[in-house]
Amino acid sequence: QMQLVQSGPEVKKPGTSLRLSCKASGINLNNFALQWVRQARGQRLEWVGWIVFASGKASYAEAFKERVTITRDTSANGASMDLNNLTLEDSATYYCVALLIELGGGGVSGYSMDLWDKGTTVTVSS
Amino acid sequence: SYELAQPPSVSVSLGQRATITCSGEALPKKFAYWYQQRPGQAPLLMIYKDKQRPSGIPERFSGSTSGTVVTLTINGVQAEDEGDYYCLSADSSGSWVFGGGTKLTVV
Repeated sequence: QMQLVQSGPEVKKPGTSLRLSCKASGINLNNFALQWVRQARGQRLEWVGWIVFASGKASYAEAFKERVTITRDTSANGASMDLNNLTLEDSATYYCVALLIELGGGGVSGYSMDLWDKGTTVTVSS
Repeated sequence: SYELAQPPSVSVSLGQRATITCSGEALPKKFAYWYQQRPGQAPLLMIYKDKQRPSGIPERFSGSTSGTVVTLTINGVQAEDEGDYYCLSADSSGSWVFGGGTKLTVV
């Protein structure tokens, strides 16, 4: 059974850091990328970043690139996302998503399947 | 920064055709993906690589592309198709962007 399990809900103070971890079971992540997508209550989906598991190469959305880091954990078959200098606007549901990627043109050309976790709630409050 | 533009809302009568567009400068060179999201649920992939339909997705959902615009078409809309629809694609740097989302209402 293919499954992603993300770490649990978090409550954080502004200015602190967040670490979310995501572990996969039933799939070999060497053919996947792991990405984080977030969604504030009532708002649009927002792509945060991803890591191509086989290469360990990460890419981030422009809005987050100064304060986010995504790393893989090959022994745990998963990855973690660190988000620094939290603000109230970082309160959201964070989804971990595995993408079955296809390579081409020197990079990832696309994906053909995805697997989402249930999402975890992050609350930033003073 | 790169943006994908979607209409905020689309309203369609039960059984009719719904079209949701997504426009972006890089779409002629980058694949588009479509997600459906119902309240309280994680997004569901409806179309990948512009026009491929994942297994389990009804045939009434289809994707097409023309230049800088990609389109999700739902033929014979059902009540359960109500929800928010998002397009997703990559920019030239390899980052990904969601469109602003389109709320589909079935009347």
